[in-house]
Amino acid sequence: AQTVTQSQPEMSVQEAETVTLSCTYDTSESDYYLFWYKQPPSRQMILVIRQEAYKQQNATENRFSVNFQKAAKSFSLKISDSQLGDAAMYFCATNAGNNRKLIWGLGTSLAVNP
Amino acid sequence: DGGITQSPKYLFRKEGQNVTLSCEQNLNHDAMYWYRQDPGQGLRLIYYSQIVNDFQKGDIAEGYSVSREKKESFPLTVTSAQKNPTAFYLCASSLNRGNTEAFFGQGTRLTVV
Repeated sequence: AQTVTQSQPEMSVQEAETVTLSCTYDTSESDYYLFWYKQPPSRQMILVIRQEAYKQQNATENRFSVNFQKAAKSFSLKISDSQLGDAAMYFCATNAGNNRKLIWGLGTSLAVNP
Repeated sequence: DGGITQSPKYLFRKEGQNVTLSCEQNLNHDAMYWYRQDPGQGLRLIYYSQIVNDFQKGDIAEGYSVSREKKESFPLTVTSAQKNPTAFYLCASSLNRGNTEAFFGQGTRLTVV
């Protein structure tokens, strides 16, 4: 069965520092997408970044970047110059599930310390 | 502005009652989804719909029902058969059910009293 594992239930980072959130997944598909979503205290899910599995180049969006290792089925999120507004739950997801169903990790709660 | 609107934000229900959660989108998306979120369990798929008048069960459909009579609307009914309905419910949509990301509403917190 397809799974997504986020091994860090909680993380913390000092403001302006860099933090990396881990995500591994399991799939037999070769063509799929990977996503990182942010859920702040308001609880609305917001897309942070998206990676296409067939692209070798790692996706970046301003202070957010990923380290995608397809062979290792690893998809980590790096947040640079952390800001107080980055404090949230972060979920890793992939549409590599059956019938392109999104499969979700359990999330990582990120605290940003001033 | 385009987006997804869920209502109400908070909902209280007495045991034994059915209740319907609203989800409307004006993004012209074909696919819509309902998720349930409980502490420590991530997001679990209840139902999804890829096209009007068609929907499929997700992983935890028991005790729930949906309809998709219009492209813009995908209401979720929590029936009295749902044994533990207190949860946070998220509605989402995507352009299609292929490789595009999902856009989410602000959620509905349902509490059974």
